[in-house]
Amino acid sequence: AQSVTQPDIHITVSEGASLELRCNYSYGATPYLFWYVQSPGQGLQLLLKYFSGDTLVQGIKGFEAEFKRSQSSFNLRKPSVHWSDAAEYFCAVGEQNDMRFGAGTRLTVKP
Amino acid sequence: EAGVAQSPRYKIIEKRQSVAFWCNPISGHATLYWYQQILGQGPKLLIQFQNNGVVDDSQLPKDRFSAERLKGVDSTLKIQPAKLEDSAVYLCASRGIFGQYFGPGTRLTVT
Repeated sequence: AQSVTQPDIHITVSEGASLELRCNYSYGATPYLFWYVQSPGQGLQLLLKYFSGDTLVQGIKGFEAEFKRSQSSFNLRKPSVHWSDAAEYFCAVGEQNDMRFGAGTRLTVKP
Repeated sequence: EAGVAQSPRYKIIEKRQSVAFWCNPISGHATLYWYQQILGQGPKLLIQFQNNGVVDDSQLPKDRFSAERLKGVDSTLKIQPAKLEDSAVYLCASRGIFGQYFGPGTRLTVT
């Protein structure tokens, strides 16, 4: 069965520092992988997705993620965090008709 | 393009009462999803529609939850009667070319 693990419940970084949010998945075939961001009181916004091809995926708002099949990981990165990036981040795996979400990582940005 | 619309945004009811949520997907999107997001968890799929037909409702608690999409556009999700554990954000999403697009959600509090 497919599943997603986000090991970090809460991460705090300083503004301007780099960021990496971890995501590990379990899936029988080559997965479709997604990262979503959810600001307080808002729905989920798609940051980026991986279907196939280049394993380094660029997304919106300066985010990128790298698919590593050998590690079953799809970590989200940003070189320099902005205060507006404070939000909840969700990794998801599966196909568009059957997505499973991780429990989320809450990002706090210190001034 | 307009996003996924949901109403109401917030609802407070007492246990054993009934409640209904409404979703209007992005125009032209044939696939619609309802998710339940309990505080501190990722979204969990409740039901998926393709046009006006149900594709997957395996995780919908059918003794109290129901959903319909009669004309293949708008959808309603109903809970009758509500329990305390139904307190959550109910998210609607529709599927486009680049993935699922989420509405802002309805935050339900059952007291």
